[in-house]
Amino acid sequence: QKEVEQNSGPLSVPEGAIASLNCTYSDRGSQSFFWYRQYSGKSPELIMFIYSNGDKEDGRFTAQLNKASQYVSLLIRDSQPSDSATYLCAVETSYDKVIFGPGTSLSVIP
Amino acid sequence: EAGVVQSPRYKIIEKKQPVAFWCNPISGHNTLYWYRQNLGQGPELLIRYENEEAVDDSQLPKDRFSAERLKGVDSTLKIQPAELGDSAVYLCASSSRQGANTEAFFGQGTRLTVV
Repeated sequence: QKEVEQNSGPLSVPEGAIASLNCTYSDRGSQSFFWYRQYSGKSPELIMFIYSNGDKEDGRFTAQLNKASQYVSLLIRDSQPSDSATYLCAVETSYDKVIFGPGTSLSVIP
Repeated sequence: EAGVVQSPRYKIIEKKQPVAFWCNPISGHNTLYWYRQNLGQGPELLIRYENEEAVDDSQLPKDRFSAERLKGVDSTLKIQPAELGDSAVYLCASSSRQGANTEAFFGQGTRLTVV
């Protein structure tokens, strides 16, 4: 089992819809969880982080964490074409290593 | 505030040649990471420094890769000799733990092509 897994893409949603990105992790002792956005040919850019169970909202983005089920998700409301990118889930494990998932490619169709 | 600075942005070398990448982290960030990212995959950690100490280098191919972070600021990553399979983007990131806050910020990366 890979340490961090993400739902396979590509994911396509129409403009204005909600995009849902999922991530699961294997280390139950993981403490911190991050979502990065990576445009093609660019470096990853941090967009959200979450440490506690529940929801965390920032503008159109909502991160959801469920440590019991070992999953973290990212919801993007009112998706825009500019949201089209690869979204990387990153997990800081119990041994202080930040592990990235393979990424999910999102395409928002105008 | 300046972000993480990497150089060069691009490098093309022949196999068996040496290559080095340089990273200047965000000022005050004690933690520095080197990642390698292949096309269509997430970044893979090569080495993590806390100040000048390499605290995790378990994924670094030590037969050909080396890294250093003298004085706990700038860092260099070296490959000698390079192989075709080393072609990838090499990303440097830095972070500073503030409470539970450990967000890492990335540089622009160095795209290495080995021919």
